[in-house]
Amino acid sequence: DQQVKQNSPSLSVQEGRISILNCDYTNSMFDYFLWYKKYPAEGPTFLISISSIKDKNEDGRFTVFLNKSAKHLSLHIVPSQPGDSAVYFCAARAIYNFNKFYFGSGTKLNVKP
Amino acid sequence: EPEVTQTPSHQVTQMGQEVILRCVPISNHLYFYWYRQILGQKVEFLVSFYNNEISEKSEIFDDQFSVERPDGSNFTLKIRSTKLEDSAMYFCATTPKGAQGSGELFFGEGSRLTVL
Repeated sequence: DQQVKQNSPSLSVQEGRISILNCDYTNSMFDYFLWYKKYPAEGPTFLISISSIKDKNEDGRFTVFLNKSAKHLSLHIVPSQPGDSAVYFCAARAIYNFNKFYFGSGTKLNVKP
Repeated sequence: EPEVTQTPSHQVTQMGQEVILRCVPISNHLYFYWYRQILGQKVEFLVSFYNNEISEKSEIFDDQFSVERPDGSNFTLKIRSTKLEDSAMYFCATTPKGAQGSGELFFGEGSRLTVL
């Protein structure tokens, strides 16, 4: 059951441009969404989150947008930097179960200098 | 900065052997989790642990799996009789006050398990 989907396994962007990573979900009971970044040989690190009561959350160069009607969220990175090159995971949590997060399969972002 | 540490970083084992993966949580964290990622696939929830007992487990976490916190510091995942399909990266994660807080999981670097 793939309740969280990241349909793009990879994305390549030029330095300074915008990176847009997408995530779709199927469970309407998800109320909290997160993005994690993962470098090779490291564990995922938290990047940014958004509650279902909001449609946008911004933190520096990172902005997450949530479209509940479309069950879609996206992560925008502006401007993209080579150090942003990593695998990005989308994750979601259901309102009825705080203990369990559902992750997507990840999108590998490559920011070219 | 405090971090979650995991050992071993990589373990190769024969099918049918027992494996124990270890995690040292961040010291003031109370909720512990194991996730795994089979190569190229999504990160999957295995189990959550609080107050010395399992609070949630997935369908993956069958009788071959167990978790414990034997000495109050290490948090271990045991696989009794490994199968080829257990080959994956296993991540330990912790939070200070449960996922109902900020929702942020602090992950370790992972233990890669290869079953031959």
